[in-house]
Amino acid sequence: EAGVTQFPSHSVIEKGQTVTLRCDPISGHDNLYWYRRVMGKEIKFLLHFVKESKQDESGMPNNRFLAERTGGTYSTLKVQPAELEDSGVYFCASSQYITGENEQFFGPGTRLTVL
Amino acid sequence: AQTVTQSQPEMSVQEAETVTLSCTYDTSESDYYLFWYKQPPSRQMILVIRQEAYKQQNATENRFSVNFQKAAKSFSLKISDSQLGDAAMYFCAYRSIAPPLVFGKGTRLSVIA
Repeated sequence: EAGVTQFPSHSVIEKGQTVTLRCDPISGHDNLYWYRRVMGKEIKFLLHFVKESKQDESGMPNNRFLAERTGGTYSTLKVQPAELEDSGVYFCASSQYITGENEQFFGPGTRLTVL
Repeated sequence: AQTVTQSQPEMSVQEAETVTLSCTYDTSESDYYLFWYKQPPSRQMILVIRQEAYKQQNATENRFSVNFQKAAKSFSLKISDSQLGDAAMYFCAYRSIAPPLVFGKGTRLSVIA
């Protein structure tokens, strides 16, 4: 079974540019999450999709971030325009259910550097 | 809001020895889940062990075990017979009944041959 995949693995962009990160969850997982780790800090929750609907987007830092999950399959996270403080590692995770001890499976992350 | 604290940014252990990573958390809830995730260098995060708060028995997974002290809000991870492959970043995480996960800052574990 394929795990969670993310593309690209690394992205280096200039301040003010746009970047789109992609996440492919494990097949059959309705729940998809985005997290971010800024250097030296905790991994922070950004948002949670259930199928194509945003269940919780309380962690989205501002309106420069736009997440979509068309058709309830893969998800994209667009940052436009990117700022220096957006640099970090963006993790995607997926799970089949949300209750109980259900595990979230993580992707390898996308390292974003904004210069 | 729930918080998770890992007070050891870095730890090291000799191969075959035992090491304990600390984690404390803050919550007002009585029902929740605790996790330890491992992220090896340049690889994805994987779940090492999980603990349900309502279970008094400490979880174990082979060489990995936890010391869960609910009253003290402490959730430490013990790695026995450490191996070179255990070298990684370890994250302690909390989850309420529903998502999301709340993470600590992580502890980088080095294993010395």
